[in-house]
Amino acid sequence: DIQLTQSPSFLSASVGDRVTITCRASQGISNYLAWYQQKPGKAPKLLIYAASTLQSGVPSRFSGSGSGTEFTLTISSLQPEDFATYYCQQVNSYPITFGQGTRLEIK
Amino acid sequence: QVQLVESGGGVVQPGRSLRLSCAASGFTLRSYTIHWVRQAPGKGLEWVALISFDGSNKYYADSVKGRFTISRDISKNTLYLQLNSLRADDSAVYYCARQATLSTFDYWGQGTLVTVSS
Repeated sequence: DIQLTQSPSFLSASVGDRVTITCRASQGISNYLAWYQQKPGKAPKLLIYAASTLQSGVPSRFSGSGSGTEFTLTISSLQPEDFATYYCQQVNSYPITFGQGTRLEIK
Repeated sequence: QVQLVESGGGVVQPGRSLRLSCAASGFTLRSYTIHWVRQAPGKGLEWVALISFDGSNKYYADSVKGRFTISRDISKNTLYLQLNSLRADDSAVYYCARQATLSTFDYWGQGTLVTVSS
């Protein structure tokens, strides 16, 4: 199985900050990586697929990059509604796996 | 609009069974592969199973293989997950999700909570 390791696991930041979350895969997955946002009590929401393609309706302050084994999710200017938990997901091979999550909280 | 609505969760004793349902609307199951994903309380996301758009392929996580069965009723546009021989570590919110581009999940249900406890 492909393991995904996110860093950091916890991030404290302020509105307006630029933040970056990293996801490392245990083996190469080309660009078969997605990012999701999850708020408490809610289902995950797809933000980015194919490592860098923004899902329709997602604000442009979200961006993704990377290929192979290292990927990043960047939020250019944090908004109050962005405080949530973020997960990466690999869809290169089965079983599909997720990172352990990065919890983003208000400083 | 596209909607997925799960039901069937509840409290069940270890070793017993439960059947979860996922009613789809706004699209047909004939055209989309559907997945089940679960999330234990306070934990991360774990992929559980999928059924392909034509119903010919079903895959399961090793942790549920042989105990869980995914199926669907096209006439009802509804997906099912039969959970047998339940264990405490199966306790989680179970989500169904529609597969979109490159196997990512573009629509999710609201989830249904399964608690396995004596």
